[in-house]
Amino acid sequence: DIEMTQSPSSMVASVGDSVTITCRASQKISFYLSWYQQKPGRAPQLLVHAASTLETGVPSRFGASGVGTDFTLTITSLQPEDFATYYCQQTFSPPHTFGQGTKLEI
Amino acid sequence: QVRLVESGGGVVQPERSLRLACETSGFDFSNYGMHWVRQAPGKGLEWVGMIWYNGGNKYYGNAVRGRFTISRDNSKNTLYLDMKSLRVEDTAVYYCAKGGSPGDTTGCHNWGQGTVVYVSS
Repeated sequence: DIEMTQSPSSMVASVGDSVTITCRASQKISFYLSWYQQKPGRAPQLLVHAASTLETGVPSRFGASGVGTDFTLTITSLQPEDFATYYCQQTFSPPHTFGQGTKLEI
Repeated sequence: QVRLVESGGGVVQPERSLRLACETSGFDFSNYGMHWVRQAPGKGLEWVGMIWYNGGNKYYGNAVRGRFTISRDNSKNTLYLDMKSLRVEDTAVYYCAKGGSPGDTTGCHNWGQGTVVYVSS
């Protein structure tokens, strides 16, 4: 199975900051990488698929990149609604494993 | 709009069985792969498994393979998860999710609100 490792596991930031979350796959997964945002008590929401394709309605302050084994999710000019937990997921090969999550806190 | 509504969760004793259902609307169900994802209390997301648009291929996570079975009824726009030999560690919120393509390699594009399964004696 492909293991996904996110870093950091948690981070503290302020409104207006820029942050970067990284996700590393234990083997090459091409661009088969998705990013999700989850707020407490809510279902996750897909932000990005195919490593860099933002879903409709996702604000442009979100950006994502990467290919192969190393991927990043960047949020510029953090807004209050961005404080949440973020997960990456590989969809290259079943089982479609998730990273452990990155909790972004104020 | 896309709507996914899970049902069937509840309290169940270890080693018993339970069937979850996910009723869908707002899209052509028969053209999309579908996923089940779970989240134990206070933990991260765990992919349970997926089924192709036509039911022709099914894949499972290691923790549930051999105990859980995913199926679908395209005439009813409904996804199912049959769980047997349940364990305490299967306690979680179970989400169904719509994929982005028939065989789906694009992730979980739309999610239901989840249904809670609590395994306890």
